[in-house]
Amino acid sequence: DAMVIQNPRYQVTQFGKPVTLSCSQTLNHNVMYWYQQKSSQAPKLLFHYYDKDFNNEADTPDNFQSRRPNTSFCFLDIRSPGLGDAAMYLCATSTGLYNEQFFGPGTRLTVL
Amino acid sequence: QKEVEQNSGPLSVPEGAIASLNCTYSDRVSQSFFWYRQYSGKSPELIMSIYSNGDKEDGRFTAQLNKASQYVSLLIRDSQPSDSATYLCAVNLRDSSYKLIFGSGTRLLVRP
Repeated sequence: DAMVIQNPRYQVTQFGKPVTLSCSQTLNHNVMYWYQQKSSQAPKLLFHYYDKDFNNEADTPDNFQSRRPNTSFCFLDIRSPGLGDAAMYLCATSTGLYNEQFFGPGTRLTVL
Repeated sequence: QKEVEQNSGPLSVPEGAIASLNCTYSDRVSQSFFWYRQYSGKSPELIMSIYSNGDKEDGRFTAQLNKASQYVSLLIRDSQPSDSATYLCAVNLRDSSYKLIFGSGTRLLVRP
């Protein structure tokens, strides 16, 4: 089945220790998104790629970076995680910017 | 005014009843509207999309859109305990920002 896969599902890191989250898709969608979601809050868009074009939200901290080496994969790098970065990180894909977005299962990040 | 507003709930209904979830949005130009279901600790799952005024039915779910009133709703017929979840309304802002804006969600509890 075509799907969005995120690894790992759970990630524990130490304060300030870099971490990389990965997302892959078999849907062949043009657009890939990264969201941060904290408890009882709406998902917050961090950035997205339309093909190779990268778009950063104005309020995304510099601590967060992303890479999309090919159509199928996208990575979220958190250079120096703080306690406030503990959250669920969601990857989503869509065929176009105004179309339905399909989410992966998420990665739950804990920062100690 | 928030861009997408939902009552946080919880909305409690008995099993077999109709659950009615509501959402208002601020941008008259919006064209794409989505309902996502999110179980606790899981990622959002797309359950309905609607693009034009009126009703759209899919199984036990009906989405209703009224662009003049900037209002979109989700009806769940014959509610089941397994429908207990948070329902997120999401609206694509059809302006240069492109973003899918999520409401903070309505928590639905279906009592057996």
